[in-house]
Amino acid sequence: EAGVAQSPRYKIIEKRQSVAFWCNPISGHATLYWYQQILGQGPKLLIQFQNNGVVDDSQLPKDRFSAERLKGVDSTLKIQPAKLEDSAVYLCASSIGTGGRAISGYTFGSGTRLTVV
Amino acid sequence: GNSVTQMEGPVTLSEEAFLTINCTYTATGYPSLFWYVQYPGEGLQLLLKATKADDKGSNKGFEATYRKETTSFHLEKGSVQVSDSAVYFCALSTGKGAQKLVFGQGTRLTINP
Repeated sequence: EAGVAQSPRYKIIEKRQSVAFWCNPISGHATLYWYQQILGQGPKLLIQFQNNGVVDDSQLPKDRFSAERLKGVDSTLKIQPAKLEDSAVYLCASSIGTGGRAISGYTFGSGTRLTVV
Repeated sequence: GNSVTQMEGPVTLSEEAFLTINCTYTATGYPSLFWYVQYPGEGLQLLLKATKADDKGSNKGFEATYRKETTSFHLEKGSVQVSDSAVYFCALSTGKGAQKLVFGQGTRLTINP
């Protein structure tokens, strides 16, 4: 089974520029998550999709971050404009659905490391 | 709100030493508890889990017991190997619907031969 695919692997941008990250979840996984992992901290959920609808975006800084999941498959996370404190690894994860089965099938991608200079 | 606190790292041990990484949590309701591992250059992987009080999760020689009375989920291994060097994250999940994971800050473990 193919894993969760993310691209790019690394990105360096200047502050105030925009950037986009892409995620392709495991086939058949209805739920998709974006997490932000700042160096030295644990991952923090930014947004969760169930199919193409948003379930939880309470910790997404909506003034600069946006995300979409068209057709309930791939997802894109965008930052515009970027700030220095956005430097982090952005992790995408997917799971079969919700409920008890979800955690067993919860799979993380390798992440995109963003550096804002 | 829900939160997870892990012991400060980094932790450095010699091969075959006994490992304990402490984890305590604060949560409403009855969370499920997890340990994730992140090997160098790789993504997060589920190491073990426990879904109710007194459950013991185990995998690859690692164990953790869900202790509701002390709100703890400490990770243990009797004899560590160099290949166990990684960052370990304790996490919880609450709610029947959204499976949002709340992570601790992570503990970097280095095993010396």
